[in-house]
Amino acid sequence: QQQVKQSPQSLIVQKGGISIINCAYENTAFDYFPWYQQFPGKGPALLIAIRPDVSEKKEGRFTISFNKSAKQFSLHIMDSQPGDSATYFCAYMDSNYQLIWGAGTKLIIKP
Amino acid sequence: GAGVSQSPSNKVTEKGKDVELRCDPISGHTALYWYRQSLGQGLEFLIYFQGNSAPDKSGLPSDRFSAERTGGSVSTLTIQRTQQEDSAVYLCASSRDRNNQPQHFGDGTRLSIL
Repeated sequence: QQQVKQSPQSLIVQKGGISIINCAYENTAFDYFPWYQQFPGKGPALLIAIRPDVSEKKEGRFTISFNKSAKQFSLHIMDSQPGDSATYFCAYMDSNYQLIWGAGTKLIIKP
Repeated sequence: GAGVSQSPSNKVTEKGKDVELRCDPISGHTALYWYRQSLGQGLEFLIYFQGNSAPDKSGLPSDRFSAERTGGSVSTLTIQRTQQEDSAVYLCASSRDRNNQPQHFGDGTRLSIL
């Protein structure tokens, strides 16, 4: 069964620190790796996404790093802020164009 | 509205009753997805519609679950003879087409089965 393993399950970071969330996948057919952010009572919203032809993508304080040989990708949040407190989901697109989701990481940024 | 709209936002019903959940996708989006999210969990894929093609029902957990999409727009997810384990948030998402991400999500319907 296709799956993506996301860690940690929860994370507490001091304001101004770096938040790091990791994901590992097993399958080989894919071309799109998004990260979604979800606030309580809301649906997930796309935060940042990467395609496997690049190893890193940065948008503001958010960076995705992609290691194709290790089948791993990660999200780094620089200068973490209390407003970043949310649940983060990684995903990848399989050969059937279906997104396979991680279980989520609940991030808390302490002021 | 510009976003995906879901109704109702909350639904409480008794075990054994049927429920219908509605999703109104972003105009022009041909792909529509239903997911289930249990408390503190990730997203469980249920069903996917792409234009007029036959839907991908591979994620439906039992034959009590069904969905339709009329006119390539609004979709309804129906759960018959609800059980307590059906309690969850049901999320709908749409995208321009299946290969044209991202998926845009509604805020979900929180379903509680008493």
